[in-house]
Amino acid sequence: AQSVAQPEDQVNVAEGNPLTVKCTYSVSGNPYLFWYVQYPNRGLQFLLKYITGDNLVKGSYGFEAEFNKSQTSFHLKKPSALVSDSALYFCAVRGGGSSNTGKLIFGQGTTLQVKP
Amino acid sequence: SQTIHQWPATLVQPVGSPLSLECTVEGTSNPNLYWYRQAAGRGLQLLFYSVGIGQISSEVPQNLSASRPQDRQFILSSKKLLLSDSGFYLCAWSRLGTGSSPLHFGNGTRLTVT
Repeated sequence: AQSVAQPEDQVNVAEGNPLTVKCTYSVSGNPYLFWYVQYPNRGLQFLLKYITGDNLVKGSYGFEAEFNKSQTSFHLKKPSALVSDSALYFCAVRGGGSSNTGKLIFGQGTTLQVKP
Repeated sequence: SQTIHQWPATLVQPVGSPLSLECTVEGTSNPNLYWYRQAAGRGLQLLFYSVGIGQISSEVPQNLSASRPQDRQFILSSKKLLLSDSGFYLCAWSRLGTGSSPLHFGNGTRLTVT
């Protein structure tokens, strides 16, 4: 069965410092991995994805994520956090066998709090 | 460009009343369509997905149902709402048959059952 784990309910970081939001996954076959951000009372916004190729993928708003196959992880990173990055972040995975239906399995979300 | 519309934005309904939430997608054809529910501002639960007109798959048994009367229209319904149906309902679409395609979400409907 496919699953995604975000081990931290909340991450606190000072503005200007680097941030990391952790994600590990379990799927059969090669994974398709995604990160989303959600602001209060809004839908989820797509940030970035890993499909194949370079393990470091770059996305919107200066975010990037590193795919590590041996550790089955896909951590979200940003070199310098902004107060406006404060939001709820979701990691999601789609296994290779579910490409037709496109179902994504989401983690429970991590609240990022960036303090000025 | 593709856009997704979801309405209403907020809804307060009494227990036992019917429900109809609508979602439409513009700028693409034959999308996969999804209904998710988010409880307490955290994890997302997939309720229904559809790969074509009239084709609905249910992920969780409950008193909700979904229909896809047109290619880019997805409707979430209930005949009688329960208190436990309260939550944030999100519609999403992705490209059919493309595993690498992300989901694109609407802005959601906040449903409160009283």
